[in-house]
Amino acid sequence: DAGITQSPRHKVTETGTPVTLRCHQTENHRYMYWYRQDPGHGLRLIHYSYGVKDTDKGEVSDGYSVSRSKTEDFLLTLESATSSQTSVYFCAIDPHGSSYEQYFGPGTRLTVT
Amino acid sequence: GDSVTQMEGPVTLSEEAFLTINCTYTATGYPSLFWYVQYPGEGLQLLLKATKADDKGSNKGFEATYRKETTSFHLEKGSVQVSDSAVYFCALSDHSGGSNYKLTFGKGTLLTVNP
Repeated sequence: DAGITQSPRHKVTETGTPVTLRCHQTENHRYMYWYRQDPGHGLRLIHYSYGVKDTDKGEVSDGYSVSRSKTEDFLLTLESATSSQTSVYFCAIDPHGSSYEQYFGPGTRLTVT
Repeated sequence: GDSVTQMEGPVTLSEEAFLTINCTYTATGYPSLFWYVQYPGEGLQLLLKATKADDKGSNKGFEATYRKETTSFHLEKGSVQVSDSAVYFCALSDHSGGSNYKLTFGKGTLLTVNP
């Protein structure tokens, strides 16, 4: 158990509303990631963090922002949700910072109507 | 850029059948290769890995060999069980150019094993 929790686990929201997803870890690992999973696309990296206040964009970062003010929490914000952001969002940690292994949270299913 | 191509599913097998899921990759450096598995309703978990050419990763009866000459990392299991039903993802981590903390995933292959 890598001690990763995500909240909420399910959310339905309307187009144009802001949404924040939370990833929490209990092990104080430096590297954290946000992915989205969509049929036919696999997992795609949205943003990642390599320390408090240190974040960078992944391949599908448009429309998303992140913040990491504490080691244990990595927040993903959709400033103005769109239907194309309906997806399952996974948080992951990398205990070694080498991508030899990442541990994933249980996911958040977000529906934008 | 880096990319991973894996066979499209879904794959449906009977229990005790032989499984192969093909995976090929493109990378600029010397990647490490992984297979992750996702059981229904759960996040991904690492199944096996190989960090250099000719390495064989193995776990829970699954195997995959890192073939640099064919840029492949095919997943195999000699006798599948119903409990192996899941989505399988091939992935790589390219350790060149400072990008050694990111994974690139294939699109996933859904495996269903019938009793």
